[in-house]
Amino acid sequence: AQTVTQSQPEMSVQEAETVTLSCTYDTSESDYYLFWYKQPPSRQMILVIRQEAYKQQNATENRFSVNFQKAAKSFSLKISDSQLGDAAMYFCAYRSAYNNNDMRFGAGTRLTVKP
Amino acid sequence: DAGVIQSPRHEVTEMGQEVTLRCKPISGHDYLFWYRQTMMRGLELLIYFNNNVPIDDSGMPEDRFSAKMPNASFSTLKIQPSEPRDSAVYFCASSFRVEAFFGQGTRLTVV
Repeated sequence: AQTVTQSQPEMSVQEAETVTLSCTYDTSESDYYLFWYKQPPSRQMILVIRQEAYKQQNATENRFSVNFQKAAKSFSLKISDSQLGDAAMYFCAYRSAYNNNDMRFGAGTRLTVKP
Repeated sequence: DAGVIQSPRHEVTEMGQEVTLRCKPISGHDYLFWYRQTMMRGLELLIYFNNNVPIDDSGMPEDRFSAKMPNASFSTLKIQPSEPRDSAVYFCASSFRVEAFFGQGTRLTVV
């Protein structure tokens, strides 16, 4: 089974600065999707960004971008110009592109943004 | 679309009682997932359905847990009998092939 590892239980960043959250995964599949979800204190799970494994170009959504290294099975999230509202738990997730595929999550990284 | 709808938002019950959590997925989505979130174990996948058919229930912790999806617009997760260690936030999520959309979760407290 695929596993997702987030090695940083907690991270902290100064407002307006940049922070990178790490994620690695283990799979033998060649086609899959990777995601970053944000969970603020409201506990709602919000999709931040997604990456298709077949795409070489890194996904970008406004201040959020990823560094996808397929060979290294690494998928980090960069948050630029951090804002107080970015404070949340961030979860990395993996999903196979094949049929009957589930979605697996990492343990999460708690991001604190300091004013 | 209103998104994934879960009910109730909060549930407090006594040990030994039956608990039923409900989920209405987004219309047109063909996958439905049930997750449990705790501080100790993070987000655990309990079971998921594809086109109303259970595909993998290996994450269901015990026989006390059961899930059904009688039609494309409704699913339930039942715990009978409930125990204090079942206290957690239970999420339902639905998807159409790629990303999953989550409900707001049900916070279950078993006393």
